[in-house]
Amino acid sequence: DGGITQSPKYLFRKEGQNVTLSCEQNLNHDAMYWYRQDPGQGLRLIYYSQIVNDFQKGDIAEGYSVSREKKESFPLTVTSAQKNPTAFYLCASSIPTGVATNEKLFFGSGTQLSVL
Amino acid sequence: QQQVKQSPQSLIVQKGGIPIINCAYENTAFDYFPWYQQFPGKGPALLIAIRPDVSEKKEGRFTISFNKSAKQFSLHIMDSQPGDSATYFCAASIQTSGSRLTFGEGTQLTVNP
Repeated sequence: DGGITQSPKYLFRKEGQNVTLSCEQNLNHDAMYWYRQDPGQGLRLIYYSQIVNDFQKGDIAEGYSVSREKKESFPLTVTSAQKNPTAFYLCASSIPTGVATNEKLFFGSGTQLSVL
Repeated sequence: QQQVKQSPQSLIVQKGGIPIINCAYENTAFDYFPWYQQFPGKGPALLIAIRPDVSEKKEGRFTISFNKSAKQFSLHIMDSQPGDSATYFCAASIQTSGSRLTFGEGTQLTVNP
């Protein structure tokens, strides 16, 4: 089955610790995204990448970092600088169609990150 | 600032009812308005989308109504079923410039049997 795989499903972070969330896709999509979901706040964009070895900050990038070394993978690191990391993190991908880079987003099943 | 405001935050209807979720936007350059459906513990999935050259779009029991002059659009679910219970997000973007989606805050819909 083609799709987006996020792991782990649940993750706990200790104070001062960096944690990395995995996102892998086998849809052959060029564009990938990381969103943060908090109750009552919708989906907020953290980082996105339209092509391998290139990525841009979204609306709430502070305290996060990403890499895009392979087309299939877009891991997100939540650093100790992110003071309120507890949230549901969603990875997504899309096919750029001309200039319409987000015609349809395909989402993974998410990772719930909690602070110990 | 590009914003999309969604209401209500939560909605409870009986089976067979017609829940309506509303969204309002500010940026008149937005030209693509999708709705995403999210079940608990899962990622959202595209449900239906509309562009501003039409005032209504239907796909099965789901209808988007679009009012360009009022800068509002809404989702109607006909003959709602308990299986429609989910969180619904509206969104908007400027497709011609390849902008990223701006999401509304979400509406948690419960359809009682």
